[in-house]
Amino acid sequence: DQQVKQNSPSLSVQEGRISILNCDYTNSMFDYFLWYKKYPAEGPTFLISISSIKDKNEDGRFTVFLNKSAKHLSLHIVPSQPGDSAVYFCAARGYGGATNKLIFGTGTLLAVQP
Amino acid sequence: DTGVSQDPRHKITKRGQNVTFRCDPISEHNRLYWYRQTLGQGPEFLTYFQNEAQLEKSRLLSDRFSAERPKGSFSTLEIQRTEQGDSAMYLCATPILNYGYTFGSGTRLTVV
Repeated sequence: DQQVKQNSPSLSVQEGRISILNCDYTNSMFDYFLWYKKYPAEGPTFLISISSIKDKNEDGRFTVFLNKSAKHLSLHIVPSQPGDSAVYFCAARGYGGATNKLIFGTGTLLAVQP
Repeated sequence: DTGVSQDPRHKITKRGQNVTFRCDPISEHNRLYWYRQTLGQGPEFLTYFQNEAQLEKSRLLSDRFSAERPKGSFSTLEIQRTEQGDSAMYLCATPILNYGYTFGSGTRLTVV
């Protein structure tokens, strides 16, 4: 059962435009959501996060929006740059318990065209 | 540079051989995670340590897999009798910001 879903395997955007990456989840008990960026042959790098009690968090060019009623979050990158080309994973943390493990989506490959 | 060092970066092994990977957090953390990522998938949880105690194991971790964290610092992940389906990137992570992780660069395993 895939609790975190990224339905778009890939996205292509022109440099300078906005990139919007989407993520859906099924478990209403998740308390934190995170976005990671991954280049080939490297581990994922933390990008931005949002608590389930908020609906927006911004960090420079990156903004994450959370719609709890729709169980949907999105990552906006503006303006997009060629160096943003990578695979983006959304992840969710289960509430409570000792493990605090993250559950990841399958990723979206973003290609920013110069 | 991440807060987690993994060794080796790449490993090619013949089917049926045993392999061992090592994870060294740069700073002390009582929590340490192992994940596995295969092509087209996101990282999948394998196991979790709090200090030297292995507190949770995923059903993905078959009996051919064993992980240890003997002194609560570095950790090892061993795969016995490797199979082609074990080919993946194995990732180690420690907590950041109280709700996320920092990952190592991973060990890419190829079973031929």
